[in-house]
Amino acid sequence: DVVMTQSPDSLAVSLGERATINCKSSQSILYNSINKNQLAWYQQKPGQPPKLLIYWASTRESGVPDRFSGSGSGTDFTLTISSLQAEDVAVYFCQQFYNPPPMFTFGQGTKLEIK
Amino acid sequence: QVQLQQSGPGLVKPSQTLSLTCAISGDSVSSNSVAWNWIRQSPSRGLEWLGRTYYRSKWYNEYAVSVKSRITINPDTSKNQFSLQLNSVTPEDTALYYCVRGINSAFDMWGQGTMVTVSS
Repeated sequence: DVVMTQSPDSLAVSLGERATINCKSSQSILYNSINKNQLAWYQQKPGQPPKLLIYWASTRESGVPDRFSGSGSGTDFTLTISSLQAEDVAVYFCQQFYNPPPMFTFGQGTKLEIK
Repeated sequence: QVQLQQSGPGLVKPSQTLSLTCAISGDSVSSNSVAWNWIRQSPSRGLEWLGRTYYRSKWYNEYAVSVKSRITINPDTSKNQFSLQLNSVTPEDTALYYCVRGINSAFDMWGQGTMVTVSS
């Protein structure tokens, strides 16, 4: 099984400062046939389902503020919030797709708070 | 816009079958560009993908190895919905269950979630 490990487990950042969350995959999730990393990032607030922020490691979902960005390739990925806003307080998850056999796996989550 | 409306019981007895339905509006269960998934979330197991159904000239079903022997996901084209059946449940299956649309190897639209408790 492909294991996704996020770091840190929790993070406190001052308003307006940069927040960085890392995600490491136990196997490469770069699909050479389409040259895309099968890695997505989600934001989850209490009482809500996860919200897609980034797919293909670096493509921002429609409507997501441009302070959110994704980077990385192969096994190491990063979600960056360039200037933290109060509404960004949430738990963030990475997720990978690996095939065969088809399998989606999530990281354990990173809790982001205001310092 | 796309909306997913979940329905089904919130309490299931051990050894029985968990059944949930997800009604789709704003998209089609027969779309050939997306997949329809079930994902659950619990404090002990985190977010766990269970399986999906999708149409690409014919129907495909794919399931997570951890539940493959117990799970069935079926599309219902007449009602534009899809369902989850999980057999022989135990307390370990207690979780918040989501129906989810999949696209570009990610999940872009989520249902509201159904909390299912397995208890006698």
